[in-house]
Amino acid sequence: DIQMTQSPSSLSASVGDRVTITCRASQSTISYLNWYQQKPGKAPKLLISGASSLQSGVPSRFSGSGSGTDFTLTISSLQPEDFATYYCQQSYSTPPTFGQGTRVEI
Amino acid sequence: QVQLVESGGGVVQPGRSLRLSCAGSGFTFSGNAMHWIRQAPGKGLEWVAVISNDGGNKHYADSVKGRFTISRDNSRNTLSLQMNSLTTEDTAVYYCARDQTAYGDYYFDFWGQGTLVTVSS
Repeated sequence: DIQMTQSPSSLSASVGDRVTITCRASQSTISYLNWYQQKPGKAPKLLISGASSLQSGVPSRFSGSGSGTDFTLTISSLQPEDFATYYCQQSYSTPPTFGQGTRVEI
Repeated sequence: QVQLVESGGGVVQPGRSLRLSCAGSGFTFSGNAMHWIRQAPGKGLEWVAVISNDGGNKHYADSVKGRFTISRDNSRNTLSLQMNSLTTEDTAVYYCARDQTAYGDYYFDFWGQGTLVTVSS
């Protein structure tokens, strides 16, 4: 199985901050890397697929980059509604695997 | 709009069985592969199983292989997960999720709200 490791596990930030979350795969996933946002008590929401393709309706302050084993999710200007846990997930091979999550809090 | 609604969760004793259902609407249910994904309390996400759009192909996580069975009824727009020989390790919120493709690209563009399964004596 491909292991996905996110860093940091949690971070504290303020409204307006630029936030960067990193995801590293144990082997190349090419660009088969997806990002999800999960708020407490809610289901995850797909933000970005294919490493950098923003899903419809997702604000443009979210962006993704990377390929191979190293990927980044960036929130350019953190908004109050962005405080949540973020997960990366590889869809290159079965079983699909998730990172452990990054909690973004005030 | 796409909606996925899970049901069937509850409290069950170790070794017993439970069947989860997921009703899909707002899209052509028979056009998409479907997944089950779970999340233990306070933990991360774990993929459980996938079924292709026509039900002809199924894959499972090693942790549930031989105990869980995924199925679908496209005439009723329903996805199911039969869970046998449950252990406390199976305690989690179970989500159904839609794949963007018929056969499974293994990323999940819509999720249900989840149903909680608690395995406890």
